[in-house]
Amino acid sequence: GIQVEQSPPDLILQEGANSTLRCNFSDSVNNLQWFHQNPWGQLINLFYIPSGTKQNGRLSATTVATERYSLLYISSSQTTDSGVYFCAVERIYNQGGKLIFGQGTELSVKP
Amino acid sequence: DTEVTQTPKHLVMGMTNKKSLKCEQHMGHRAMYWYKQKAKKPPELMFVYSYEKLSINESVPSRFSPECPNSSLLNLHLHALQPEDSALYLCASSQEAGGSGYTFGSGTRLTVV
Repeated sequence: GIQVEQSPPDLILQEGANSTLRCNFSDSVNNLQWFHQNPWGQLINLFYIPSGTKQNGRLSATTVATERYSLLYISSSQTTDSGVYFCAVERIYNQGGKLIFGQGTELSVKP
Repeated sequence: DTEVTQTPKHLVMGMTNKKSLKCEQHMGHRAMYWYKQKAKKPPELMFVYSYEKLSINESVPSRFSPECPNSSLLNLHLHALQPEDSALYLCASSQEAGGSGYTFGSGTRLTVV
């Protein structure tokens, strides 16, 4: 099946710093999403980005589908950005779609 | 309404109990999903429903029984669970079964004792 690899696995930042999270995938995909999971378990959708670049406030994402990777940029990080960031890719089969997650990047932002 | 609502938020059950998890969405989405997430791991797909029909079962043990009574509701019936089934159970929906963004609920944290 398709492999989704995220890097780095862990990241510690000082408040105000910038960071880049990477997601590599092993095969063509129909869709790619970035999620932030907060300490209470809620998976918050950050970007639906099968290709191209999107920005939302301090966050932006770029997916280069032909080269099978996506990047999530966090600028001017805040303590509330802490949590686990997941990249997830979707493959569509006859029966339906499967969203497959990477292992995540655990981000800790220190005040 | 842009939310997926899951109840209960927490559940403790014995190995001989029968319980159900509920999921509801009013976004008109036609695909709904159950995922299981163990601590420090990513969510793993369990079931996919498309237009109220079960379309994908990821070889889940029969002690987990999904049900989709209508296009807005998804249940997960639990019976004779094992302690290793303790996990966060997440429900999600998408407009179609493939090719559109997923929205997740906040999950049910299940403990089997």
